[in-house]
Amino acid sequence: KNEVEQSPQNLTAQEGEFITINCSYSVGISALHWLQQHPGGGIVSLFMLSSGKKKHGRLIATINIQEKHSSLHITASHPRDSAVYICAVTGNSGGSNYKLTFGKGTLLTVNP
Amino acid sequence: GAGVSQTPSNKVTEKGKYVELRCDPISGHTALYWYRQSLGQGPEFLIYFQGTGAADDSGLPNDRFFAVRPEGSVSTLKIQRTERGDSAVYLCASSLGSGQPQHFGDGTRLSIL
Repeated sequence: KNEVEQSPQNLTAQEGEFITINCSYSVGISALHWLQQHPGGGIVSLFMLSSGKKKHGRLIATINIQEKHSSLHITASHPRDSAVYICAVTGNSGGSNYKLTFGKGTLLTVNP
Repeated sequence: GAGVSQTPSNKVTEKGKYVELRCDPISGHTALYWYRQSLGQGPEFLIYFQGTGAADDSGLPNDRFFAVRPEGSVSTLKIQRTERGDSAVYLCASSLGSGQPQHFGDGTRLSIL
């Protein structure tokens, strides 16, 4: 079973700061996902990546397959970025590319 | 367009009762997933449907939990003889196919008193 670890568990930043959230996993994967969850439960998929780097607006996600590590960066952070950010992976063995294994999430609070 | 819809959004019931949670996926999505999220934890996989059949139900915690998707669209998660430990947010997601990005509903918050 893949173990997904995120750090930090909690992060408080001032508006405008550059933010990095880290994710590591223990076993080879087919893809890594970054998800955003706001209070009340709704989850939104931010990125799905299997190599390299992806960018969407102020969000950047990178992955290093050899090191089994990914980072989510937020540039020019804003209070509306406050949410829980969750890293999840899908396996690459036995047809398990559908089953998401989640980290515990990182609670980000951006203060004005 | 319409996203994944889950009903009810909240459910409070007494220990020992039977509950049904409904998920209406995005139209055309053949894959459907149920997850359970306990307080302070990431979601955990329960079951995966491809079409009408449960392709993987290995995450269901015990035989009190059952899920169906009779016409390959709407799915119902059923919990018998509920226990206080079943209290959690139950999340549903759908995708075009296996390995495609999953789209989540807002979840059903289940509280067992």
